[in-house]
Amino acid sequence: ELKVEQNPLFLSMQEGKNYTIYCNYSTTSDRLYWYRQDPGKSLESLFVLLSNGAVKQEGRLMASLDTKARLSTLHITAAVHDLSATYFCAVEPIQGAQKLVFGQGTRLTINP
Amino acid sequence: DVKVTQSSRYLVKRTGEKVFLECVQDMDHENMFWYRQDPGLGLRLIYFSYDVKMKEKGDIPEGYSVSREKKERFSLILESASTNQTSMYLCASSLQGRANEKLFFGSGTQLSVL
Repeated sequence: ELKVEQNPLFLSMQEGKNYTIYCNYSTTSDRLYWYRQDPGKSLESLFVLLSNGAVKQEGRLMASLDTKARLSTLHITAAVHDLSATYFCAVEPIQGAQKLVFGQGTRLTINP
Repeated sequence: DVKVTQSSRYLVKRTGEKVFLECVQDMDHENMFWYRQDPGLGLRLIYFSYDVKMKEKGDIPEGYSVSREKKERFSLILESASTNQTSMYLCASSLQGRANEKLFFGSGTQLSVL
């Protein structure tokens, strides 16, 4: 059974700092997604990582995937308040065809 | 613009009631999904459908059923609501095939069962 674990679950940081959210998963997969959820809102797709070594960047966020280590990271550079949200990673088992398994979510709070 | 619409934002029901949660998408997507979201547990898949009149169980189907009579509409049914079904319910849709990259989510229905 595929398990997806995020670390940390809660993160409070100051504007201007850098930090990384980690997403570990337990079985082989070559597809990993990152989503953002603002309070009271639905999930918004951020990144799709499709192969080992994949790296994608959008603004101050950068996501990477290491399929051998079964690890993805979401790196935040010079954080700003607007990035405060809950971030989820989700893994698609190879045979699962879009049946995503989600991590617990990381609630990120960025303080001025 | 892509849209997944859930009929109710907040819903309060009593234990034992039959509850219908409706989801409509306007993107002609083949795949539709129902997740529930609970604090500390992330999202867990209840049921999904790859086509009209087709349905498959997800990871936590107990106590739920679904209906997909039309391509654009996917309903989640709680036959006899219980307090442990108090949760945020999220509907999602996507295009068929692994070429598609992401799910599109509705805004969610917060269900409280008293």
